[in-house]
Amino acid sequence: EAQVTQNPRYLITVTGKKLTVTCSQNMNHEYMSWYRQDPGLGLRQIYYSMNVEVTDKGDVPEGYKVSRKEKRNFPLILESPSPNQTSLYFCASSFSSWGAFQDNEQFFGPGTRLTVL
Amino acid sequence: KNEVEQSPQNLTAQEGEFITINCSYSVGISALHWLQQHPGGGIVSLFMLSSGKKKHGRLIATINIQEKHSSLHITASHPRDSAVYICAGLFGNEKLTFGTGTRLTIIP
Repeated sequence: EAQVTQNPRYLITVTGKKLTVTCSQNMNHEYMSWYRQDPGLGLRQIYYSMNVEVTDKGDVPEGYKVSRKEKRNFPLILESPSPNQTSLYFCASSFSSWGAFQDNEQFFGPGTRLTVL
Repeated sequence: KNEVEQSPQNLTAQEGEFITINCSYSVGISALHWLQQHPGGGIVSLFMLSSGKKKHGRLIATINIQEKHSSLHITASHPRDSAVYICAGLFGNEKLTFGTGTRLTIIP
């Protein structure tokens, strides 16, 4: 089954304790991205990757890191989480970038709800 | 500034009604996406449009480039259509700006 998986689905942590949210896709997609979703603000892009070893900042990259060492995986790293990073996080993937093809379907992971105390 | 605005924020309708959700955007988008977020939180991509109209089942999406406006229509609405519908403008080829979503509730 074609899918994007994220782990963990729920996480409660404390300020300053490094954490990683994993994202993996099994569709050989080139494009992967991370979003956070906050009430009243909608989805905002954190980082995206066009291919292995190619990453770029989205609209809200501060406080986050990513890596793309393998095509299937795109982990999101919070080196020193703070309460303002409490949010719902989504990973997404597609064959190519959002605008490359008319029928370039985007696949989203199930979301990770993060609470930083 | 890249901006995408949706209306209404909330919409409640009776089963069977024709539904319209609107999305307006600032200049410069190359395409517009419609997404559906289920009550459980999962997000599904519905349409990507750069011109004209697309139809999938009971869902129809239109875009008017000159007026900088897109609409999502649902015909013969059903309670299972209850979800949050999100539009997103593609600025350039890679970056999306999302609207804040329209929460649709269909009452049986």
